Amino acid sequence: DQQVKQNSPSLSVQEGRISILNCDYTNSMFDYFLWYKKYPAEGPTFLISISSIKDKNEDGRFTVFLNKSAKHLSLHIVPSQPGDSAVYFCAASDPYNQGGKLIFGQGTELSVKP
Amino acid sequence: EAQVTQNPRYLITVTGKKLTVTCSQNMNHEYMSWYRQDPGLGLRQIYYSMNVEVTDKGDVPEGYKVSRKEKRNFPLILESPSPNQTSLYFCASKPSGGYRELFFGEGSRLTVL
Repeated sequence: DQQVKQNSPSLSVQEGRISILNCDYTNSMFDYFLWYKKYPAEGPTFLISISSIKDKNEDGRFTVFLNKSAKHLSLHIVPSQPGDSAVYFCAASDPYNQGGKLIFGQGTELSVKP
Repeated sequence: EAQVTQNPRYLITVTGKKLTVTCSQNMNHEYMSWYRQDPGLGLRQIYYSMNVEVTDKGDVPEGYKVSRKEKRNFPLILESPSPNQTSLYFCASKPSGGYRELFFGEGSRLTVL
């Protein structure tokens, strides 16, 4: 069973507009959520995170929103740039497993067109 | 430079020929893990290690072995590779003590014919 789901395999956005990537989870015990960005032929790199006690975390052009009641988080990129084109993975951390095992979604491939 | 290094980056092999993918980190991290990435399935954990000589199965351990004899190294062993192990493999590490962010290597693309 997939505990973390990214239902959109791909997203295409115009440069300068907002990109919204979505993620749903099923386990209410997850206490920390992360977004990773992955370019081709590279490993995933950490982008931004949020604790379950917060509902928003902002870092420059990137903002993550958490809706615990809906078990949903989203990543907003404003404004989107061509260099943001990559695969984005949502991950949830289980504090009762391995001291915080990361469980990943399927990924969403973002394409930002000039 | 702090990093997780995997080798080889690319490998084509044949069914049944044992291979090892090495992983080394220079950040003195206690925790290390292997993931595989497959289309539509995201990143799935194969094995993990909480510290030296402490390893355990992840979500998809079948067909793989690991060892953790030294803190910095965590090799992934495929004793008898099969085509369903064709995948993109990532090694990752992090400090212990509740730290959540994983640091990933650049990946090893393995093809088993």
